[in-house]
Amino acid sequence: KQEVTQIPAALSVPEGENLVLNCSFTDSAIYNLQWFRQDPGKGLTSLLLIQSSQREQTSGRLNASLDKSSGRSTLYIAASQPGDSATYLCAVGTQGGSEKLVFGKGTKLTVNP
Amino acid sequence: DAGITQSPRHKVTETGTPVTLRCHQTENHRYMYWYRQDPGHGLRLIHYSYGVKDTDKGEVSDGYSVSRSKTEDFLLTLESATSSQTSVYFCAIRNKYTGELFFGEGSRLTVL
Repeated sequence: KQEVTQIPAALSVPEGENLVLNCSFTDSAIYNLQWFRQDPGKGLTSLLLIQSSQREQTSGRLNASLDKSSGRSTLYIAASQPGDSATYLCAVGTQGGSEKLVFGKGTKLTVNP
Repeated sequence: DAGITQSPRHKVTETGTPVTLRCHQTENHRYMYWYRQDPGHGLRLIHYSYGVKDTDKGEVSDGYSVSRSKTEDFLLTLESATSSQTSVYFCAIRNKYTGELFFGEGSRLTVL
């Protein structure tokens, strides 16, 4: 059974800092990996999707990497801003044709002005 | 905007009553999902659908049923709601070209 872990559960940083969020998974046979952002009381917003054949994806100040062999992904946020404060969720797509996602419990990020 | 609408957005009901949540999509995606989100548990898959009248169970399907009679609508039914089903329910669709999931805004259900 695939398990996804995100450490730390919470992170507080000063504005302008570059930071890395971590995601680890137990089964390397994945279909894809997706990073989401969730603001309080809101739905999930897709940030980046990495296919199993890719090593990284970039969007603006965000860069996500994938290392299947070690069962790890990182989300790098450059020059953090208070508006980046949210919970960040990692989800792994399982293989086998059902295309289901298994979620981590998220990292709550606070960027202080 | 992935064209996903959930209704109702908020509902309070009593134990033992039936509840139906609706997910409507406008982009003709084949795969649709229902997740629940609870503190300490994260997001867990309840049921999903891979086409009209084609559905399957997720990891927390007990006490829930689903139906998909049209491509655009995926219904989640609690036949007899219990307090343990108090949660926020999210619908999602899967882009068939990229595999990317997009979520609705959620439906907050409180069972008293």
